[in-house]
Amino acid sequence: DADVTQTPRNRITKTGKRIMLECSQTKGHDRMYWYRQDPGLGLRLIYYSFDVKDINKGEISDGYSVSRQAQAKFSLSLESAIPNQTALYFCATSGSGFTGELFFGEGSRLTVL
Amino acid sequence: GENVEQHPSTLSVQEGDSAVIKCTYSDSASNYFPWYKQELGKRPQLIIDIRSNVGEKKDQRIAVTLNKTAKHFSLHITETQPEDSAVYFCAASGNAGNMLTFGGGTRLMVKP
Repeated sequence: DADVTQTPRNRITKTGKRIMLECSQTKGHDRMYWYRQDPGLGLRLIYYSFDVKDINKGEISDGYSVSRQAQAKFSLSLESAIPNQTALYFCATSGSGFTGELFFGEGSRLTVL
Repeated sequence: GENVEQHPSTLSVQEGDSAVIKCTYSDSASNYFPWYKQELGKRPQLIIDIRSNVGEKKDQRIAVTLNKTAKHFSLHITETQPEDSAVYFCAASGNAGNMLTFGGGTRLMVKP
């Protein structure tokens, strides 16, 4: 089945370290997103990309950067991790038409000590 | 930008009872309102959605209602079952394509 795959699924790191979360998809979708989930705050958009040459900041982009290496790959980087970036991170995809549905990956749980 | 508020944050019901989760939004231009269900340890998945040209939509035991004048929409689950236990997120988006703004989530617990 076509899917959205995230690596790593779990990561523990220390303050100041650089971290990369990777996302790949076999759905053939053009649009890819990175969300952050915190208890009580729902899902907040970090960055999104509508195609390989398009990168846009979301609601909470400070402290994060992204790279769209190919239509199927979208990675999220924390250049210098800090403890309040401890969260569950989701990659998502959607088709280019306004169907609305987001297809999420399984999530990457990041802990910054 | 859009702001979506969701209530309650937790909801406990007895199996067989109904559950209602409510959301309000701020941007009157929003025209698409999906609901996502996230089971424990799993990814969020779309369960139902509604667009602004209709006031209600049903799919078996779940329904969503929309009041554009008041800028609120609700998820109704009837005859709840233990497998309905999950976190539910509402969301809203306007004309910017798939840019969804999510509510804070509701943890629904269905007691057998």
